Amino acid sequence: KAGVTQTPRYLIKTRGQQVTLSCSPISGHRSVSWYQQTPGQGLQFLFEYFSETQRNKGNFPGRFSGRQFSNSRSEMNVSTLELGDSALYLCASSVSSGKDTQYFGPGTRLTVL
Amino acid sequence: GEDVEQSLFLSVREGDSSVINCTYTDSSSTYLYWYKQEPGAGLQLLTYIFSNMDMKQDQRLTVLLNKKDKHLSLRIADTQTGDSAIYFCAESNDNNDMRFGAGTRLTVKP
Repeated sequence: KAGVTQTPRYLIKTRGQQVTLSCSPISGHRSVSWYQQTPGQGLQFLFEYFSETQRNKGNFPGRFSGRQFSNSRSEMNVSTLELGDSALYLCASSVSSGKDTQYFGPGTRLTVL
Repeated sequence: GEDVEQSLFLSVREGDSSVINCTYTDSSSTYLYWYKQEPGAGLQLLTYIFSNMDMKQDQRLTVLLNKKDKHLSLRIADTQTGDSAIYFCAESNDNNDMRFGAGTRLTVKP
């Protein structure tokens, strides 16, 4: 089975722009979670989607949003980029939710200049 | 809020055992995980343990859980240079809220 894939792997944007990141979960997985990883804050949970519905949301501003499609693929959008948004954005998928183990993708490294 | 804490660095010699420790505060944790992250890569699930287990062994990896003290450890036997990476401890509860430690950077010296 193919693992979790994320595109693009690397992205460079400037302040004020917006960006969309994509995540394709493992086949058969219906839950997708997004995380932000920075040297200063470590790994922080952004949100989780299951069956096209947002189930959980972390403590991030409204500039961060996401959605999930009927094929379980998910996108994350960040609007009005700030320098502090530079990070590795990780996507993880699991079969459903709750107790299922999450499997992570390689991440998208976003640099905001 | 609930926290997961790990020591930041560990250095061992090749062939020795490595023990990475983690403490957590959420008493409702149901699953505890160890992930490995190599440079430039995402997180790789190494192993996980249910909160009602004390120990889990998987080849060179041994996970010990002391639920009373909320202490989790990962032992890597016969550590190799390829084991050099950052190891993250994580816990989740029934709501699938997942919390990670800051990661322990393991350096294996030849």
